[in-house]
Amino acid sequence: ETGVTQSPTHLIKTRGQQVTLRCSSQSGHNTVSWYQQALGQGPQFIFQYYREEENGRGNFPPRFSGLQFPNYSSELNVNALELDDSALYLCASSYDIANTEAFFGQGTRLTVV
Amino acid sequence: LAKTTQPISMDSYEGQEVNITCSHNNIATNDYITWYQQFPSQGPRFIIQGYKTKVTNEVASLFIPADRKSSTLSLPRVSLSDTAVYYCLMDSSYKLIFGSGTRLLVRP
Repeated sequence: ETGVTQSPTHLIKTRGQQVTLRCSSQSGHNTVSWYQQALGQGPQFIFQYYREEENGRGNFPPRFSGLQFPNYSSELNVNALELDDSALYLCASSYDIANTEAFFGQGTRLTVV
Repeated sequence: LAKTTQPISMDSYEGQEVNITCSHNNIATNDYITWYQQFPSQGPRFIIQGYKTKVTNEVASLFIPADRKSSTLSLPRVSLSDTAVYYCLMDSSYKLIFGSGTRLLVRP
């Protein structure tokens, strides 16, 4: 148990729709990062939030956006879903920006049809 | 960006020691070496982190030579439940850069 929970665990959406994925971090973790993991690949960094502000972003288009809230919860929003967005989405929280030890949730499996 | 290279897959048997080596020729001064373990349909789990020489915890050891261009994760006496993907990462900034990892299969 990492203390990081994600919801929902599975989701099916239609191409063109929008989706919101949620993450609840450990209390005291000021940093949350989101990753996309395609089948058979390692996780790819989407972005990081530190104290409710975006701190860094990977190579993902603007239709991927996020929010972090004061209660250690966060959201990943994806607009205009494409078939290639089908993946496992992981959030990871840590005490600080340096990611000395990141705690991952179990992920949300998103399928776009 | 620091890039790591590790074997795609490894096979072992229960009770054996497994050593997974990772190459990171472009490691920067500020980079730490971190290993994660991932089971299917779960998020990665932190195993161990080090900067140089040897680090040991309750589940693994990490050996880092003086030039820091490689590292070796050592898993003592593996069991079937150690079957997973193991990722070696350079960790110096806000993001973790995962490669494709090493798929370890432990056989009875």
